Amino acid sequence: QVQLVQSGAEVKRSGASVKVSCKASGYTFTDYYMHWVRQAPGQGLEWMGWINPNSGATKFAQKFQGRVTMTRDTSISTAYMEVSRLTSDDTAVYYCARGCGGGSCYYVHWGLGTLVTVSS
Amino acid sequence: QSALTQPHSVSGSPGQSVTISCTGTSSDVGNYNYVSWYQQHPGKAPKLMIFDVTKRPSGVPDRFSGSKSGNTASLTISGLQAEDESDYYCCSYAGSYTWVFGGGTKLTVL
Repeated sequence: QVQLVQSGAEVKRSGASVKVSCKASGYTFTDYYMHWVRQAPGQGLEWMGWINPNSGATKFAQKFQGRVTMTRDTSISTAYMEVSRLTSDDTAVYYCARGCGGGSCYYVHWGLGTLVTVSS
Repeated sequence: QSALTQPHSVSGSPGQSVTISCTGTSSDVGNYNYVSWYQQHPGKAPKLMIFDVTKRPSGVPDRFSGSKSGNTASLTISGLQAEDESDYYCCSYAGSYTWVFGGGTKLTVL
């Protein structure tokens, strides 16, 4: 069965960076894009971007360009999402979700989420 | 990329039907039949309920249905049950390999 196992909760200072991991199992890691979605406390879902594990290509929502990096290690079927220059607005649960590269794309499989708390 | 517009809350009594709207623009909802809907209970990951505007994944009750007209997509839940009380989010392809979510709607079963 498909599983996406995310790394544990993080507490960071403003200005720091955080790197969240998402280890995939139950399918061929390079066959599906990995998307990242975040949710601030009491707020809605926000699409952040994706990485193509096969090529390493990435795409980000405009507001995250330049501040978010997505990478992968195919040898261990793991995707990573790093946010730099953290502010309190980045306090959120960050989810990875198995997706695709365009058009008819929807998220059946999600990680359980990683809570990132940014303190000043 | 502005978030899609959803009502903050809707409510209905058991057995009734409710509809949640999701309004975008001609650049997202209006231009593609790639709208999906997610149910999210507190502290849980979202669950896919509808994809490609009208399609239902296996295991999702047929009480859930989706539709679209112009720039607005809708999720209808008929025969409301207590377990349907949750937050619901729409998501649309927005072109250029990007996606956008709605702000979310809290459904209360009275």
